[in-house]
Parts: sequence; structure tokens; C-alpha cells
Amino acid sequence: EPEVTQTPSHQVTQMGQEVILRCVPISNHLYFYWYRQILGQKVEFLVSFYNNEISEKSEIFDDQFSVERPDGSNFTLKIRSTKLEDSAMYFCASSEDLSGNTEAFFGQGTRLTVV
Amino acid sequence: QKEVEQDPGPLSVPEGAIVSLNCTYSNSAFQYFMWYRQYSRKGPELLMYTYSSGNKEDGRFTAQVDKSSKYISLFIRDSQPSDSATYLCAMSGGGGGNKLTFGTGTQLKVEL
Repeated sequence: EPEVTQTPSHQVTQMGQEVILRCVPISNHLYFYWYRQILGQKVEFLVSFYNNEISEKSEIFDDQFSVERPDGSNFTLKIRSTKLEDSAMYFCASSEDLSGNTEAFFGQGTRLTVV
Repeated sequence: QKEVEQDPGPLSVPEGAIVSLNCTYSNSAFQYFMWYRQYSRKGPELLMYTYSSGNKEDGRFTAQVDKSSKYISLFIRDSQPSDSATYLCAMSGGGGGNKLTFGTGTQLKVEL
């Protein structure tokens, strides 16, 4: 069964360093997303991406964050200068449809720890 | 008022019980409603997907949406210990584009 894959599963980084989280969405999907979940809190939307550009972003997704689809399969989230409060699980998701159908499938997540 | 409200639990039931999980929401523009299951430190796994009001059944799971009351439910019949997880409701639509708005999740434990 097709699935969203994320690497690495766990990343430890020093405050102020840049990190890149990687995702391979399901191959025939057209919408890609990043969400995060701070420990003990709800899953929060960060950004959606369609047709090689950001379609929507939340207030959390400030200038520190960027997304890219560098090739036909990968989708990345970059955090330029990490802060302690960026420590969270980051989930990539993808969905197939364009019509607002958001049957979104999630990866297993990358646990980011900023020390 | 939070956009999506969900009782965090924990909810503990004996094996074989019928479980009822619920969410309320305030944004009447939501049209797509989902239930995800999340095991500890894992990604959300899509269980049920419903468009607009009505019921949908899949095996032991039934999802209900009542848009007039802004209330959605997930029922689990014949609950099993393997159903022990956190259940997240999520919704989208209207002016919010494709982004999902999640509830906080309800932690369920099914005991032998």
C-alpha cells in the first residue's frame, strides 16, 4: 500500500542551526502538507503546497521556515535557525484531489529536538 | 471558543464495549470530516472520511456527522485492546482551503 515516508525519524540539533526534514509523498498525490505536533498538544497545520508553490500557510510558518520540492519525488521543510520551541514532531502529508477533498495521508513523522 | 473541541480523556473501556468519541466545532463552513488514529509517537492514520452530514460505516467503525449541531462522532463496536490509541478528529473546507483543523485527541484504552 502506498505511504508517505519521512526521514530522518529523529533529528537532534543545536539551537541556531539549520535543519532540513525530508518527505516522499504518495506518488500520484498533488497536494503536500507539513504539520507539527508539540508534545502533548494537538496537530497544527504549517503549510500546504500545490503546483510548486505554497497555497496556504499558518501564522506559525514564519520567515524561518521554507518548503521546496527539489525533484519529482521529494518534499522538504527547512528551518533556518532553530529555536528551542521548534522541538516537536513534524508530519508530512499528501492528498490526491484538487476539489477541496482533504483525505490526507500522513507519514510517521520526524521528531525534532532542539538543544 | 476553540474551533474544534474534543474531550482529551483518558477513556477506559472493557474489551467488547461500544466506544463513542465526539467532537464539536464552531466553523459552520467545515464540510469534510475525518477521524484519525494515532499511536504514541507515530503519525496519524486515517480511519474514516465523511463529506457533509450523514453516517458512514466501515467494519467496526461508524462515523456520524450532524452539521446542524456542529457535532461529529466515531463509534467503535466490539472494541479490542489493539484499538487503544489516541483518536483525533479533523475537519476542513469552506474558507480554510485544504488545511486540516484538528481536535486535541481523545486517549482511549481498551482493557482485557
